[in-house]
Amino acid sequence: ETGVTQSPTHLIKTRGQQVTLRCSSQSGHNTVSWYQQALGQGPQFIFQYYREEENGRGNFPPRFSGLQFPNYSSELNVNALELDDSALYLCASSTGGSNEKLFFGSGTQLSVL
Amino acid sequence: QKEVEQNSGPLSVPEGAIASLNCTYSDRVSQSFFWYRQYSGKSPELIMSIYSNGDKEDGRFTAQLNKASQYVSLLIRDSQPSDSATYLCAAARGGAQKLVFGQGTRLTINP
Repeated sequence: ETGVTQSPTHLIKTRGQQVTLRCSSQSGHNTVSWYQQALGQGPQFIFQYYREEENGRGNFPPRFSGLQFPNYSSELNVNALELDDSALYLCASSTGGSNEKLFFGSGTQLSVL
Repeated sequence: QKEVEQNSGPLSVPEGAIASLNCTYSDRVSQSFFWYRQYSGKSPELIMSIYSNGDKEDGRFTAQLNKASQYVSLLIRDSQPSDSATYLCAAARGGAQKLVFGQGTRLTINP
């Protein structure tokens, strides 16, 4: 158990719809990172939030957006869903130290039909 | 060239043997490296981290880092069927939160 919880576990949406995924960080952690893992691939960094501000973004279009709340939980929003957005979405929290290890939540499996 | 490259496998190893997993990376700025294990349908689980050149041992696992050759490896001794999984190599870029992953190597341990 990493102390990072994600909801929902599974989600089915249709193309063009919008989706919100949620992540509760481990107690005391002020940094949350989101990753997308397509089938058969390694996770890809989407973005990171530190103290409610975006702190780094990977190669993802603006329709991928996020929020971090004062309690350091986070949301990932994806607008105008495309079939290729079907993936496992992973969240990880930490205190943000440079050599700190990253522990993932159990993920949200998103299917776009 | 991908930033982190792994042989996708599958790699088959008999039970009790040593499994050797390899990874190369292209960004010399990367200083921290991680190995994750991922069972089918589950999220990645951290096995090892390594920051300095040389070997780091933890139980049956040994991580090796060679920064001059930009090469990271993971050895699993006395392989067990429960070690059958996909192993992901990752390099930290811009902090430990921003990991660049390889595509993973699928390992099968045959009883």
